[in-house]
Amino acid sequence: QSVLTQPPSASGTPGQRVTISCSGSRSNTKSNTVNWYQQLPGAAPKLLIYSNYHRPSGVPDRFSGSKSGTSAALTISGLQSEDEADYYCAAWDDSLDGYYAFGTGTKVTVL
Amino acid sequence: QVQLQESGPGLVKPSETLSLTCTVSGASISNFFWSWIRQPPGKGLEWIGYIYYNGSTKYNPSLKSRVTISEDTSKNHFSLKLTSVTAADTAVYYCARGTDYADPFDFWGQGALVTVSS
Repeated sequence: QSVLTQPPSASGTPGQRVTISCSGSRSNTKSNTVNWYQQLPGAAPKLLIYSNYHRPSGVPDRFSGSKSGTSAALTISGLQSEDEADYYCAAWDDSLDGYYAFGTGTKVTVL
Repeated sequence: QVQLQESGPGLVKPSETLSLTCTVSGASISNFFWSWIRQPPGKGLEWIGYIYYNGSTKYNPSLKSRVTISEDTSKNHFSLKLTSVTAADTAVYYCARGTDYADPFDFWGQGALVTVSS
């Protein structure tokens, strides 16, 4: 079971702002940087945000990330229909000799 | 452009060993960290483990006793072996690249569905 907890679902109408939370602990989100992945239906995950708030080249600036303490968040400002996807937070966890932990995932629906 | 491609049997019998290979093009595996990640149907992502170009490995504690990741630098590919599989190991298996052990995965394969069934 994942040590990073996300809400199972989130939704909004086109143009709205949607925020997804990611709750972890001292051994993962507090100690290490958080990354976010977007997984479109039937596709492999794609890196969306790295090192808490950095966007890889080509990722629209409507996607932003933040981190405070043991929690992180992904915000989609100006939701678009093509943003309907699953979103996963992830971070290295220093416990148990170390491993890479993914969040439980959030399904974003564009109404 | 870096590309990764998983290959291997799509059907494995219970108690047998799952074997997959990830062939990398556009980059040398003699650098970076190369991981396996899986996703059961309709469920979330689970990191299986990585291999570094020098051969060092690290595995998810939950799978450590059954997993081996190896590399073949001459063929620029790395492989996954998962022993004693059960239906719970049915999943899409992805290979991916990271620039450091805790770094994000910037390139992914398309994924390979492996079903465990008799």
